[in-house]
Amino acid sequence: EVQLVESGGNLVQPGGSLRLSCEASGFTFSNYVMNWVRQAPGKGLEWVSTISAGGGSTYYTDSVKGRFAISRDDSKNMLYLQMSSLRAEDMAVYYCVRRFLPWGAFDIWGQGTFVTVSS
Amino acid sequence: EIVLTQSPATLSLSPGERATLSCRTSQGIGSYLAWYQQKPGQAPRLLIDEASNRATGIPARFSGSGSGTDFTLTISSLEPEDFAVYYCQQRSNWPLTFGQGTRLEIK
Repeated sequence: EVQLVESGGNLVQPGGSLRLSCEASGFTFSNYVMNWVRQAPGKGLEWVSTISAGGGSTYYTDSVKGRFAISRDDSKNMLYLQMSSLRAEDMAVYYCVRRFLPWGAFDIWGQGTFVTVSS
Repeated sequence: EIVLTQSPATLSLSPGERATLSCRTSQGIGSYLAWYQQKPGQAPRLLIDEASNRATGIPARFSGSGSGTDFTLTISSLEPEDFAVYYCQQRSNWPLTFGQGTRLEIK
């Protein structure tokens, strides 16, 4: 079964840091472009970041550039999002998402992990 | 940034009726548009990619059309499980962007 399982969501103070993880299974992880998409409470979907297959290219939405870093470990089938200088507006459910080959739509979603930013 | 505008914001229909959801983009994106369904407490699910290609396992009552700047998701005959929020998303340009969503509710 193709599956993405996120972890690492937690309560963090403004200005703090957090690392999200996503474990992939059921497919050849190294072949796929991987992403993080977030959803603030009661709001719509927002693309956050993308990493190419192999990890050579990364992309970020403007609001997180310089604060978030996406990475992957293909030997462990793991995707990460290192978040720093967190703000209240970063509070959201963060979804780990696969893109359909090669640069298609978001075809597989994890269940999400919730990040709370509050003092 | 390409802005996606979905209409209507809320659509109230009864089971068995036909639903037509619209997504307009601020600039042409060819056919690089996808549609997603999200139910409360669940992750989104891909319905349609490249404007008109149904994803694996998606029932035939869901269809997509359009190109350029105007796109439509049609549900031919609503089933009870179709009442949800629907999002469109473009992958033509960075940053990838979503519409604000259309809530399909039971009348």
